[in-house]
Amino acid sequence: NAGVMQNPRHLVRRRGQEARLRCSPMKGHSHVYWYRQLPEEGLKFMVYLQKENIIDESGMPKERFSAEFPKEGPSILRIQQVVRGDSAAYFCASSPRMFGTGSESANEKLFFGSGTQLSVL
Amino acid sequence: GENVEQHPSTLSVQEGDSAVIKCTYSDSASNYFPWYKQELGKRPQLIIDIRSNVGEKKDQRIAVTLNKTAKHFSLHITETQPEDSAVYFCAASRPGFQKLVFGTGTRLLVSP
Repeated sequence: NAGVMQNPRHLVRRRGQEARLRCSPMKGHSHVYWYRQLPEEGLKFMVYLQKENIIDESGMPKERFSAEFPKEGPSILRIQQVVRGDSAAYFCASSPRMFGTGSESANEKLFFGSGTQLSVL
Repeated sequence: GENVEQHPSTLSVQEGDSAVIKCTYSDSASNYFPWYKQELGKRPQLIIDIRSNVGEKKDQRIAVTLNKTAKHFSLHITETQPEDSAVYFCAASRPGFQKLVFGTGTRLLVSP
């Protein structure tokens, strides 16, 4: 069973361009979480999605950032008109059901993909 | 909201020594506390976790302790090896709160 797959691994964009980051969850997982890691910092929650629904986007900037998880295909994190401050590592995680429901099962653990390193020139 | 503080920010030990990393959290409702290890340029990897109904958990050379009253939890690594060198992150989550709140990380360096 392949883990969480993210692509591209590295993405270089010039200021003002658009960045699209993709995340394919583990097989059978319908919940996806995006986190951002700035250099020398911890991971910050951005958005939580189920298939075709955004459940919690409280950590995502109100402008220029959007996320989707369509019925078919990977989850996409889209950053429009990128600025240098968007340079970071973006990690995706998935789970088979809602994380945080309090169960003791292994399903409650979050496993991360390898991340996309976005560099804005 | 939840706030997680982590100390120290850097930790240097000699091979074979023990290493202890401490975290405090603010939300008394938090009940899940994982630890992640991140090597340079790699993904964060879950190494151990603990829930609030347990005070201590051990897995070979690593252990985690939780003090709910004081709202702090710690990672203990015994008999450290150079391959333990990495950045370690603690995190906390509350029931029904679909996100992990991470500490700022501890850079552990184990010298041969």
